Amino acid sequence: KNEVEQSPQNLTAQEGEFITINCSYSVGISALHWLQQHPGGGIVSLFMLSSGKKKHGRLIATINIQEKHSSLHITASHPRDSAVYICAPEDDKIIFGKGTRLHILP
Amino acid sequence: DAGVTQSPTHLIKTRGQQVTLRCSPKSGHDTVSWYQQALGQGPQFIFQYYEEEERQRGNFPDRFSGHQFPNYSSELNVNALLLGDSALYLCASSLVEGYGYTFGSGTRLTVV
Repeated sequence: KNEVEQSPQNLTAQEGEFITINCSYSVGISALHWLQQHPGGGIVSLFMLSSGKKKHGRLIATINIQEKHSSLHITASHPRDSAVYICAPEDDKIIFGKGTRLHILP
Repeated sequence: DAGVTQSPTHLIKTRGQQVTLRCSPKSGHDTVSWYQQALGQGPQFIFQYYEEEERQRGNFPDRFSGHQFPNYSSELNVNALLLGDSALYLCASSLVEGYGYTFGSGTRLTVV
């Protein structure tokens, strides 16, 4: 069983839709990262959270430590949000999920 | 303030050759981690260096080795390259406590 499970693996939505990406993990963690990776490889750190909820612009990340679950939400999605979103729990090292490929249609 | 810098950005090597990839961490960071990302997959942890020593290692063969220098920069060496070593190699720097991971843009290695 993978230590990190993301769903969905692929998501296509229309511009303006509310997007939710889920992450479940089986390891104990000190923090969890949500990362964005565009074609070409560069990874951008969106959030690092260890409890509760964080918001940055149209992005919201939540985590439930007891349930070992985190979600990334995108409000008013836009084609420029198209990317791979990776959930990465951290204990003594970061473990990456396989990512969710998001495609927002104009 | 420069973030994590990796070089080269792209590299083509022949099977059996050796390759060295380089990473300069973000200013103030003392720990460097290396990851291999195959096409369509999430990054896989190779190893982590702190105080010039390998602190942790993932499930990679001994052909993969590394080094950290006194200025915290790091190298990843891969010997006897295989076609399956073709991937994006990512470097991330952080503080030893694990805070503030910052990722480089990666080196795309193609083995032919």
